[in-house]
Amino acid sequence: KQEVTQIPAALSVPEGENLVLNCSFTDSAIYNLQWFRQDPGKGLTSLLLIQSSQREQTSGRLNASLDKSSGRSTLYIAASQPGDSATYLCASDQTGANNLFFGTGTRLTVIP
Amino acid sequence: KAGVTQTPRYLIKTRGQQVTLSCSPISGHRSVSWYQQTPGQGLQFLFEYFSETQRNKGNFPGRFSGRQFSNSRSEMNVSTLELGDSALYLCASSLFIKGNTDTQYFGPGTRLTVL
Repeated sequence: KQEVTQIPAALSVPEGENLVLNCSFTDSAIYNLQWFRQDPGKGLTSLLLIQSSQREQTSGRLNASLDKSSGRSTLYIAASQPGDSATYLCASDQTGANNLFFGTGTRLTVIP
Repeated sequence: KAGVTQTPRYLIKTRGQQVTLSCSPISGHRSVSWYQQTPGQGLQFLFEYFSETQRNKGNFPGRFSGRQFSNSRSEMNVSTLELGDSALYLCASSLFIKGNTDTQYFGPGTRLTVL
């Protein structure tokens, strides 16, 4: 069974700092790897999706990379803002049939 | 375009009762997935429906069931509620065009509290 781990569990940074969130998974036979953010009391918002054949995806200040051989993905956030404060979750899709295995998340706080 | 909607948003039940949660996907989306989120176990996959058929099921007891209607709306049912069923239940929808990787869009969730 796929196991997804995210380190650190919580992170506080001053506004403007660049930061990296880490995600590791045990089974490298993935269909895709996705990053979400969750604001308190709300559902998940999709940030980036990396297909198994891709190495990275970018959207605005966000860049996600995927290294299947080492079972790792990173989410890079440039020039962090207070509005980036949320819990960030990575999830692997093993089959492409919308069955996601989620990590435990990293709670990010950006201090103004 | 309206997002994924879930009703009700909050629910309080007692042990032994049953509950039905509803999810309306984004218009045109045919795949609906359900997830349970708890502080201890995090987000766990319950099941996924596509064209009224359950294609995948997570590791949950048979008390958890679901269905999908012809208009892609989905319901999940939990019978004989236990205290441990208290959780945020999230529904996600996607287009699922075969061969293309799919983004899932999540609803706001239903917060179930079992007393």
